[in-house]
Amino acid sequence: EAGVTQSPTHLIKTRGQQATLRCSPISGHTSVYWYQQALGLGLQFLLWYDEGEERNRGNFPPRFSGRQFPNYSSELNVNALELEDSALYLCASSLRQDRWETQYFGPGTRLLVL
Amino acid sequence: GEDVEQSLFLSVREGDSSVINCTYTDSSSTYLYWYKQEPGAGLQLLTYIFSNMDMKQDQRLTVLLNKKDKHLSLRIADTQTGDSAIYFCAESISRDDKIIFGKGTRLHILP
Repeated sequence: EAGVTQSPTHLIKTRGQQATLRCSPISGHTSVYWYQQALGLGLQFLLWYDEGEERNRGNFPPRFSGRQFPNYSSELNVNALELEDSALYLCASSLRQDRWETQYFGPGTRLLVL
Repeated sequence: GEDVEQSLFLSVREGDSSVINCTYTDSSSTYLYWYKQEPGAGLQLLTYIFSNMDMKQDQRLTVLLNKKDKHLSLRIADTQTGDSAIYFCAESISRDDKIIFGKGTRLHILP
């Protein structure tokens, strides 16, 4: 069974640009979660999508947004990139009813903003 | 506000027990989690405990919860080199709420 996949693995952008990160959940999983792991800040919850709808979001500005598609894959968009957006962005998926108890994580997309 | 604190580093000799500690501020926390992040192997949920429990044991892992002190610990018995990783403590108020992570404790195994 394929795990959670993310693309691209690495992304280099400059300040002010937009970044789009993609995530494909495990087959059958309808919930997708996004996290940011920045140096010195640890792991921070970004967004949670459940069956196409945003269910919750962390303390991030509105320029962090995303969506979940009918096939449950998800996209994270970061507009007006800032240097401090450089981080590893992790996606996870789970069965809807399991929520946090059984999340499976992807390998992450490393975003570098120059 | 919500906050989860944990020490950044821990060194333990191979074969000894490791105890990773965590404190949280939100007394409403219902779910408490331990995640493990290994280089090149991603992040994985190790175990979790509900706030109505004091202890949970799973093979070499023991989770202890002191609700009065808002203190959570993860004990790894017979620590092995494969246990070398960053361990994150996390909490959420409900299954529908966001999850808050600590900054992670890097566990280093000494030969």
